[in-house]
Amino acid sequence: GENVEQHPSTLSVQEGDSAVIKCTYSDSASNYFPWYKQELGKGPQLIIDIRSNVGEKKDQRIAVTLNKTAKHFSLHITETQPEDSAVYFCAASTWANNLFFGTGTRLTVIP
Amino acid sequence: DAGITQSPRHKVTETGTPVTLRCHQTENHRYMYWYRQDPGHGLRLIHYSYGVKDTDKGEVSDGYSVSRSKTEDFLLTLESATSSQTSVYFCAIRGDRGLVGETQYFGPGTRLLVL
Repeated sequence: GENVEQHPSTLSVQEGDSAVIKCTYSDSASNYFPWYKQELGKGPQLIIDIRSNVGEKKDQRIAVTLNKTAKHFSLHITETQPEDSAVYFCAASTWANNLFFGTGTRLTVIP
Repeated sequence: DAGITQSPRHKVTETGTPVTLRCHQTENHRYMYWYRQDPGHGLRLIHYSYGVKDTDKGEVSDGYSVSRSKTEDFLLTLESATSSQTSVYFCAIRGDRGLVGETQYFGPGTRLLVL
């Protein structure tokens, strides 16, 4: 099956700085790559996703890039704010739509 | 949480006892999923359902069974709970518009402790 690796496991940034989280996947058939944010005691919430026919997608301060050749995708958060502090998960899926998740990145934004 | 409720939200049980977790949705979505979340492992798929009475295994299905008798309810059963099944369990749902990559929406989770 698909194997998704995520780095770093923890990330601390100063408020206003940018944060980048990287994921790699193993199955070249994967074609959908969502990112989830999980706050303490809650379920994961989708923040952005990208499909394999697109190289980059932006939504305000959040962007995701995809390199299909290298089989990696990244989440970029600009102008970080304390409310961005959470655990972020990347995931990948093939046509079957079953998601395979990375192990998560705990982002701390220091005021 | 996209019209998804999970019950109970917290449960403490003893090794060897049966446990059933319930996921209820009000979105009329076709697909429902059960995941477990453990430190260092992210979320791992236990079982999923693609319709009433239609279920299939995920990557960590041993020791778990599921049932779906109605569109809105998906039950996860631990026939004889073990300490290794201590975890946080999440239900997720998604629609079926035939698109590449359909978003999964997650419930609030059930925290299970097996003593």
